[in-house]
Amino acid sequence: GAVVSQHPSRVICKSGTSVKIECRSLDFQATTMFWYRQFPKQSLMLMATSNEGSKATYEQGVEKDKFLINHASLTLSTLTVTSAHPEDSSFYICSAGTGFNSPLHFGNGTRLTVT
Amino acid sequence: DQQVKQNSPSLSVQEGRISILNCDYTNSMFDYFLWYKKYPAEGPTFLISISSIKDKNEDGRFTVFLNKSAKHLSLHIVPSQPGDSAVYFCAASSATNAGKSTFGDGTTLTVKP
Repeated sequence: GAVVSQHPSRVICKSGTSVKIECRSLDFQATTMFWYRQFPKQSLMLMATSNEGSKATYEQGVEKDKFLINHASLTLSTLTVTSAHPEDSSFYICSAGTGFNSPLHFGNGTRLTVT
Repeated sequence: DQQVKQNSPSLSVQEGRISILNCDYTNSMFDYFLWYKKYPAEGPTFLISISSIKDKNEDGRFTVFLNKSAKHLSLHIVPSQPGDSAVYFCAASSATNAGKSTFGDGTTLTVKP
């Protein structure tokens, strides 16, 4: 089945630094990847849609200059949290689909803790 | 306005019995519905889906029912097993929204041995 690999699984960083999270589709090409954020006991909140070779589409309320998304190839999308602050601490998950009306394949998420 | 709602945050059932997880939606444009299962510290995994042209889809112990008039879907697990204990997310998407999925808040299912 389709596998999505997300790294790192955990990261702790100091306030003011930047953190990059990678999302790779291992055995399929993903023209579109999605980035989510999950708060404790809450649903997956879509942050942005990452399209290969073009700018990401951000959801309302998500700061595009803070959460930089790059989709350089059909198998790799990255999310960079810039100038991280403690309120950015969360669980970030990426997903990729193989086509419209097809299930999403999720990475295992990244637990970001900003101290 | 939350377009996909799972009103029960948790559900506990005995092993061997049926688990029924419910989901309501408000957007009539949704035409594809999915259920995902999530273990702690992992990403969700796809479980089962249903298109709006159907009212039932079955896959082994898992069956999803769709009631379009009521904008309601449910996931039935029978018989429930302890390994089914996880958080279950309902999701919906539409062709008019580039296939982006909207998720419910999830229901934590606990199956007791």
